[in-house]
Amino acid sequence: ILNVEQSPQSLHVQEGDSTNFTCSFPSSNFYALHWYRWETAKSPEALFVMTLNGDEKKKGRISATLNTKEGYSYLYIKGSQPEDSATYLCALGDTGRRALTFGSGTRLQVQP
Amino acid sequence: NAGVTQTPKFQVLKTGQSMTLQCAQDMNHNSMYWYRQDPGMGLRLIYYSASEGTTDKGEVPNGYNVSRLNKREFSLRLESAAPSQTSVYFCASSEGTSGYQPQHFGDGTRLSIL
Repeated sequence: ILNVEQSPQSLHVQEGDSTNFTCSFPSSNFYALHWYRWETAKSPEALFVMTLNGDEKKKGRISATLNTKEGYSYLYIKGSQPEDSATYLCALGDTGRRALTFGSGTRLQVQP
Repeated sequence: NAGVTQTPKFQVLKTGQSMTLQCAQDMNHNSMYWYRQDPGMGLRLIYYSASEGTTDKGEVPNGYNVSRLNKREFSLRLESAAPSQTSVYFCASSEGTSGYQPQHFGDGTRLSIL
């Protein structure tokens, strides 16, 4: 079983704050790193899929970076808004398995 | 565009009862997955189907069976429900299992076993 770790487990920030969280994964057999956004009472939605070391992806105020050599990815949210409140999941695709391995998520709450 | 549809949304069972969770996707995806989500544990893979006609065990397959009925449908069966199977179950699909394609999730089935 692959160990995909996310930190912190939860985060409370004020509206307008910028924040970031980490996804750590074993770097051997790396193929792809996914980020998902999961709002309460809804289903996870894909944000980014990254495959190359040094990849950076951006979607509005949310961006992500990838370091496959050291085995981590950062997700950044600039100027957090209450609607950003959700659990953010990362998931690892590796060459040895045919399914993703998910981390346990970082739960973000943005206070107005 | 419905995407991934799961039924039922909620179910309460007694220990020992059986039931089947249904999942259908209309995106012509080859691969489908069943996960369970428990507090503090994220999404854990139960079974997946890389393509029509194939199924493989995931991380936590014990107590479950699956059927890939056709390309659209992938069902999960609990033969003899146990309280430890109380969870929220999510079905997902993707174009393939290469690890590059994002997964698309259904809204989940909340299952309670008494």
